[in-house]
Amino acid sequence: QSALTQPASVSGSPGQSITISCTGTSSDVGSYNLVSWYQHHPGNAPKVIIYEATKRPSGVSNRFSGSKSGNTASLTISGLLAEDEADYYCCSYAPTNTRVFGGGTKLTVL
Amino acid sequence: QVQVVQSGAVVKKPGASVKVSCKASGYTFTSYGITWVRQAPGQGLEWMGWISAYSGNTNYAQNLQGRVAMTIDTSTTTAYLDLKSLRSDDTAVYYCARDSCTSTSCYLDYWGQGTLVTVSS
Repeated sequence: QSALTQPASVSGSPGQSITISCTGTSSDVGSYNLVSWYQHHPGNAPKVIIYEATKRPSGVSNRFSGSKSGNTASLTISGLLAEDEADYYCCSYAPTNTRVFGGGTKLTVL
Repeated sequence: QVQVVQSGAVVKKPGASVKVSCKASGYTFTSYGITWVRQAPGQGLEWMGWISAYSGNTNYAQNLQGRVAMTIDTSTTTAYLDLKSLRSDDTAVYYCARDSCTSTSCYLDYWGQGTLVTVSS
């Protein structure tokens, strides 16, 4: 199972919006709405911020939103804050009850 | 409250084996699975495998087949990761996470703090 494809880095200024894409195949992202997104501040454990492609867990800011079309899922962060600077990973359910992560995207808040 | 606590950092020599523990509490242990994820220095997250805490069924990443084993002790609500024939590229932070995956929903909602495994001669 190959890793999902994410841009290596994105950047934005405080208050702006950014979008991170996550491209898989018809066997993983395209077959299931089971895409989740994780925020990872180095040194801490990853935190789920989106699940089932579009849903936010309780307590996660509504500045985070997700979408999916075909084999590509996307994470949008609006109203960027300095604290959003982190690594972001998508993850998809895959055949035979496996999971596959994206390569990760480093978000820099300028 | 849900807590997931992992064992401490270890240093191993190439060719050795390592066992990492993951103690879960605050929920019905057998109602969820445990997924193991690792992150090598400067690299992204890598899915290693999953174990059902109910049945003990497992699924492993293809690239680790034959070297990895995941087990469960329901009496102590602890999951274990065994990795053998360690190589330098197994140096990584290893995470366990509660796996809330069903046919309609799938995410890793509670994570351990991570265990650094260093493989060095």
